Amino acid sequence: DAGVTQSPTHLIKTRGQQVTLRCSPKSGHDTVSWYQQALGQGPQFIFQYYEEEERQRGNFPDRFSGHQFPNYSSELNVNALLLGDSALYLCASSLVAGAVGETQYFGPGTRLLVL
Amino acid sequence: SQQGEEDPQALSIQEGENATMNCSYKTSINNLQWYRQNSGRGLVHLILIRSNEREKHSGRLRVTLDTSKKSSSLLITASRAADTASYFCATGTGGGNKLTFGTGTQLKVEL
Repeated sequence: DAGVTQSPTHLIKTRGQQVTLRCSPKSGHDTVSWYQQALGQGPQFIFQYYEEEERQRGNFPDRFSGHQFPNYSSELNVNALLLGDSALYLCASSLVAGAVGETQYFGPGTRLLVL
Repeated sequence: SQQGEEDPQALSIQEGENATMNCSYKTSINNLQWYRQNSGRGLVHLILIRSNEREKHSGRLRVTLDTSKKSSSLLITASRAADTASYFCATGTGGGNKLTFGTGTQLKVEL
């Protein structure tokens, strides 16, 4: 049973560029959430996708956008990159149909460095 | 913004000792979860405790929750070097499984 997978593992971009990160959820899961973790901090919620729609959003600017595909995989897009966007980006999958507080399973993350 | 604050920020113990980490949060919650993270990699789910539960055990882990004090503790008994990691508490509020994480405790278990 494959867990959550993310690609790429590492990425280096320059300010102003755009980046796309990818996530495949755990088998059987239909909900994908994205988190940003700056160095030395806890992860911060970016947004969550279910049924190909953004269901919840954290306090992130519109430069952060996403997409969910019919096979439940998801992309995170960040436009006009800033130095402060350098972080570990984590994807988590879960079953929204489950009980409140369903366990979220995290992928290994994509480490983004903006120069 | 961070919902919770873990205490202590860093903890160093000897193998075989117990490690206790505390988490405080600000708003009402549905559940509280603890995660482990090794060297800036992905998070591993350890245990979930619901707001109507007071204590939960899983192997060498014991979690308590005091909703009146908005706090939780994670106890790792008989620690091992492999327990060296960062530990985060995360609260779930409302539906949709959105998690709000604390700042983390860095645990180092020395041989």
